[in-house]
Order: sequence, then C-alpha cells, then structure tokens
Amino acid sequence: DAGVTQSPTHLIKTRGQQVTLRCSPKSGHDTVSWYQQALGQGPQFIFQYYEEEERQRGNFPDRFSGHQFPNYSSELNVNALLLGDSALYLCASSLGVGNQPQHFGDGTRLSIL
Amino acid sequence: QQPVQSPQAVILREGEDAVINCSSSKALYSVHWYRQKHGEAPVFLMILLKGGEQKGHDKISASFNEKKQQSSLYLTASQLSYSGTYFCGTEPPQAAGNKLTFGGGTRVLVKP
Repeated sequence: DAGVTQSPTHLIKTRGQQVTLRCSPKSGHDTVSWYQQALGQGPQFIFQYYEEEERQRGNFPDRFSGHQFPNYSSELNVNALLLGDSALYLCASSLGVGNQPQHFGDGTRLSIL
Repeated sequence: QQPVQSPQAVILREGEDAVINCSSSKALYSVHWYRQKHGEAPVFLMILLKGGEQKGHDKISASFNEKKQQSSLYLTASQLSYSGTYFCGTEPPQAAGNKLTFGGGTRVLVKP
C-alpha cells in the first residue's frame, strides 16, 4: 500500500523563478492538501483540492496555485519566487473533505537563493 | 489565528508522563494531533470532535474541552519512540473540514 509520494525531494531555485511540486496521494484517497512548513514551525495550510477543484484556501498569495488531476494526484505551482518561500512543502491526502486523518508525504525541501 | 502550545519543549525519562496543551482564542470544532520526527513526515495520532471526548492511541490519549477552547495530549509511561515534535491542528466551526491551523509544536525528548 503506497503512501503519499512527493517529488522532487529537494529543489534549489533563484528569486523570480517558478517551481512545480508534485504529489501522489495514498491509495484510495481523493483529497489533497498542501502545507508550507518553515524551519522550527508548524505546517501552514496553503490549499485543498477535491474533485479537481480548489475547495479551501489558506492565507497565501495568488502566486501559489495548484491543480488536481483525474487520478487524484496534485501539483503545487509557485510563481515569482521570493527568499521567504524557502521551506518544506508537505502534501497530505485524506478520504473526502470532512474531518479525516491526513497522511503526509516526506515533503519537498525548496531553497531559494 | 495560530493555537498556542505549551510547553515548547519537554525532556522525559523513559516511563515518565507528560502533558502537552493546545489553546485557541477562537471557538473550535475539532482538534487534530500529529507527531513529527526529525526529517520525517508528520504522522496522524488522533482527532477529537466532541467537547470532553477522550481518544487514545497506544498509551497516548487526549481530551478536548470546547468551553475552554483547549485540548491536552497525555503521554503516559513514555517510550523512546515517543520522541519528536507534537503539533495540534485546530479547525473552527465554520470550516469545511481539514483546513487546519497548526500550533508551533512541542518538542519531546525521551531519554533512557
């Protein structure tokens, strides 16, 4: 039973560039949420996708966008990268949009130079 | 607004007990607890949906007091494997589900 997989593991970009992060949910899960985790902090909710639509969004600018595909996998896109975007980006999957246990991937470590 | 967790860090000897608190300034519908070991993904522990309800996960249990807008996580007879950072994630009544606001975390170190 495959868990949540994220790619790439690490990524280095420069300011102003654009980045795409990918997530495959746990088998049987249909909902994907994205979080940003700065060093030493708790995860911050970016947005949630269900049925290929953005269902909920946290307090993040429009530079952060996403997509969910028919196979439930998801992408997180960040445009015009800033130094402050350096963080661990976590993907979590669950079954449905209600209060369900979320299964997290190991994350993508994004460093902005 | 981010829930406040206390203490920020705790060091235990194997077999000792500890309590981690999570307090919110806003009304809560649910509280989720996760544990994250260094360099790993957060792992789900439990969800509390009703006021005063206690849930358990091995020798880890939790309570949720709606009126006080707080939850407590109890580590009983701690094991070495309990080391990690514990996060509470909260959700207000009007949220649609799983839009969690996480606290800053409590670092737990269990020593032999």
